Amino acid sequence: DAKTTQPPSMDCAEGRAANLPCNHSTISGNEYVYWYRQIHSQGPQYIIHGLKNNETNEMASLIITEDRKSSTLILPHATLRDTAVYYCIVRVTGTASKLTFGTGTRLQVTL
Amino acid sequence: GAVVSQHPSRVICKSGTSVKIECRSLDFQATTMFWYRQFPKQSLMLMATSNEGSKATYEQGVEKDKFLINHASLTLSTLTVTSAHPEDSSFYICSAREPGQGNEQYFGPGTRLTVT
Repeated sequence: DAKTTQPPSMDCAEGRAANLPCNHSTISGNEYVYWYRQIHSQGPQYIIHGLKNNETNEMASLIITEDRKSSTLILPHATLRDTAVYYCIVRVTGTASKLTFGTGTRLQVTL
Repeated sequence: GAVVSQHPSRVICKSGTSVKIECRSLDFQATTMFWYRQFPKQSLMLMATSNEGSKATYEQGVEKDKFLINHASLTLSTLTVTSAHPEDSSFYICSAREPGQGNEQYFGPGTRLTVT
């Protein structure tokens, strides 16, 4: 699976959009971009995933660049409950591939 | 989404004893489950992949005789930490793969193990 690079930490004011970047310049054509988050002392929570088209669900939007070498997770209206570590993971889906967690981005949402 | 539970959520044990942690998929059958370990301020590290009805596959550096994994049914996998030592104190998290188009993984809430 391709390696990902994320900033170690970010701050966001409550109510504003949180834009979390991820670099995956070595991504292969059949690899998806997944985002998970982990709130303190809990198990990771799936957020969203995509291959090349932008995706949106009730939690977030995922914007993938045309060359697929980077992506951005957008939380449109961040709340204090969105404070967590966000992990960007690249993997092949539909197979027995494993999820490999990097260091992620620690998002702190403040009042 | 699919729900995965773990039991217990917290456990304290004495050095030298064994501890069993259960991971259950509540509303789907999981042929594959995964066990992770997470030390404070670190990321999740995959310990092993557990396949129903067969032996677990351990990651490099994980002692299979110390961390016993049993996946006897499609909804239950157990991790037993044998002869626990203080350095085994950690947050243990399981996940279960839901068969289907995406083969998505869903995570349990984690088990905090403290060895005294």
